[in-house]
Amino acid sequence: AQKITQTQPGMFVQEKEAVTLDCTYDTSDQSYGLFWYKQPSSGEMIFLIYQGSYDEQNATEGRYSLNFQKARKSANLVISASQLGDSAMYFCAMRAQEIQGAQKLVFGQGTRLTINP
Amino acid sequence: EPEVTQTPSHQVTQMGQEVILRCVPISNHLYFYWYRQILGQKVEFLVSFYNNEISEKSEIFDDQFSVERPDGSNFTLKIRSTKLEDSAMYFCASSPWETQYFGPGTRLLVL
Repeated sequence: AQKITQTQPGMFVQEKEAVTLDCTYDTSDQSYGLFWYKQPSSGEMIFLIYQGSYDEQNATEGRYSLNFQKARKSANLVISASQLGDSAMYFCAMRAQEIQGAQKLVFGQGTRLTINP
Repeated sequence: EPEVTQTPSHQVTQMGQEVILRCVPISNHLYFYWYRQILGQKVEFLVSFYNNEISEKSEIFDDQFSVERPDGSNFTLKIRSTKLEDSAMYFCASSPWETQYFGPGTRLLVL
């Protein structure tokens, strides 16, 4: 069974600082995908970034990067130059890729990030 | 940019009533999902759907739940007889393969 652990229930960061949100995972699958989603107070789930388990390079999307350390089973999200609009709940999720077809996402508990002006 | 849409955005119902939550996935996506999020908790998988049939369902997805893709665009979740504990945000998602894109959710309140 897959498991995602996010150990930081809340984080407070000054605007323009970089922030790292932690995510560790547990799986016996050889091939898998890791995702980060942002959930603002309005409630929607916004896809941020994806990392495949066989990807050699860390994924980057604008100000978001994923610090993927396979041996440690960690997939931390790094947000550079944080903005007030980054204040939200952030979820790490994992998807098995061993089998073709619709594969569920398993989510962590989330980290509530607050950016202070 | 194409989006997943969901209706209604909010629904209030009495315990024991049937509700149907509707979703329009992104048009060229092949895989469809329902998730729920009880207030303040993590997002939980309910069911996945591919090629007009259920691929996987969780233990939450009991006989009270059903999904349908009645036409080429809509994807519905029906709860036959709602319980208080069904109060949650329900998310529909669709994917071409890897990344799942979520709709804005339907907030269901069962009284």
